[in-house]
Amino acid sequence: EPEVTQTPSHQVTQMGQEVILRCVPISNHLYFYWYRQILGQKVEFLVSFYNNEISEKSEIFDDQFSVERPDGSNFTLKIRSTKLEDSAMYFCASSPEIRNVGTANTEAFFGQGTRLTVV
Amino acid sequence: AQKITQTQPGMFVQEKEAVTLDCTYDTSDPSYGLFWYKQPSSGEMIFLIYQGSYDQQNATEGRYSLNFQKARKSANLVISASQLGDSAMYFCAMREDNYGQNFVFGPGTRLSVLP
Repeated sequence: EPEVTQTPSHQVTQMGQEVILRCVPISNHLYFYWYRQILGQKVEFLVSFYNNEISEKSEIFDDQFSVERPDGSNFTLKIRSTKLEDSAMYFCASSPEIRNVGTANTEAFFGQGTRLTVV
Repeated sequence: AQKITQTQPGMFVQEKEAVTLDCTYDTSDPSYGLFWYKQPSSGEMIFLIYQGSYDQQNATEGRYSLNFQKARKSANLVISASQLGDSAMYFCAMREDNYGQNFVFGPGTRLSVLP
């Protein structure tokens, strides 16, 4: 069964350092997402990516964040200068596109997550 | 405004009994999908069940069923015959046609199944 894979599973970084979180979405999916979940809290949307560009982003996704799909398979999230409050589980997800989500299941397939710890 | 509300931060259920986890949502889009995900302590997000806004019947997947009341904008998850392995966080999520096809999640309900 196809799956979304994320690397690394756990990353520890010093405050102010840049980190890149990597994801390989399911190959025939068209929508890609990054979400984050601070420990024990809700799943927060960061950004969605479609047709090689950002389609939506949240207020959390400020200038410190960027996404790329450098080679048609990987999907990366970069945090330029990490802060302590960036410590969280980061989930990548992908989904197929459907024009009418009210009629067909277009679940988001999630990766296992990357636990980012900023110290 | 909150698009997805889950009013039960925590729930307890006895093993083998049924439990209902509440979810209400807010949208003006006629075309949307509602999803339930399970997050065990290991952290992964596991898809459970989907309900489309145009579906005439409530969705069922094994021990999971969705009590969809469109007029009330509620999509409650019913787990029958609870098992110890059902102990986890449960998230309700929505995807709308006119909102960039993003998924919006509720705050979650932590379910604990008691032996």
